[in-house]
Amino acid sequence: QQQVKQSPQSLIVQKGGIPIINCAYENTAFDYFPWYQQFPGKGPALLIAIRPDVSEKKEGRFTISFNKSAKQFSLHIMDSQPGDSATYFCAASRASGSRLTFGEGTQLTVNP
Amino acid sequence: GAVVSQHPSWVICKSGTSVKIECRSLDFQATTMFWYRQFPKQSLMLMATSNEGSKATYEQGVEKDKFLINHASLTLSTLTVTSAHPEDSSFYICSARDPHRSSYEQYFGPGTRLTVT
Repeated sequence: QQQVKQSPQSLIVQKGGIPIINCAYENTAFDYFPWYQQFPGKGPALLIAIRPDVSEKKEGRFTISFNKSAKQFSLHIMDSQPGDSATYFCAASRASGSRLTFGEGTQLTVNP
Repeated sequence: GAVVSQHPSWVICKSGTSVKIECRSLDFQATTMFWYRQFPKQSLMLMATSNEGSKATYEQGVEKDKFLINHASLTLSTLTVTSAHPEDSSFYICSARDPHRSSYEQYFGPGTRLTVT
């Protein structure tokens, strides 16, 4: 019940495309859903996060869509650029201060 | 703000020796720090949660006598891999929480690449 399932495992898009990465969770007690970007050999960096009281959140070119009833959330990257090529992880936690549960990761490649 | 550093960024050690990795919160006080391990092309696996001034809480399957965690101050946590073996070679990442900024966000360090020969 603590798992977060992420798909796809890898994704290739052309520059300007809109890659979409999906995550699903089981534990209805989760109430914080962040997305992280990780470049090779680096630690993850927080991109954007959402709480279940909203269905969508935008920050720059990144958008989270959240469907509480389906227990799913997704990351959309608008106008993707080659510099967005990285591994993206979704995560969830169930209370303030508690541990994060990570998805399996999606390796995104944006071709020029 | 909310910068977390790790030292060293990479380390090579011989099998059977111990190695210490430091995690520091540079511009905030972190009451809670987390240690993760990441194998190539895999997700982050939480090893332990470290609270300042108290014993770390280890995840199931993580040997607490092998991975010693000390959170001695509000800005420093250390992970010591004792009697390291080649299978301990991995990317170790710490994160910290700034309770004054957000009760949810974790700020990650840049990671430490450990290679045991």
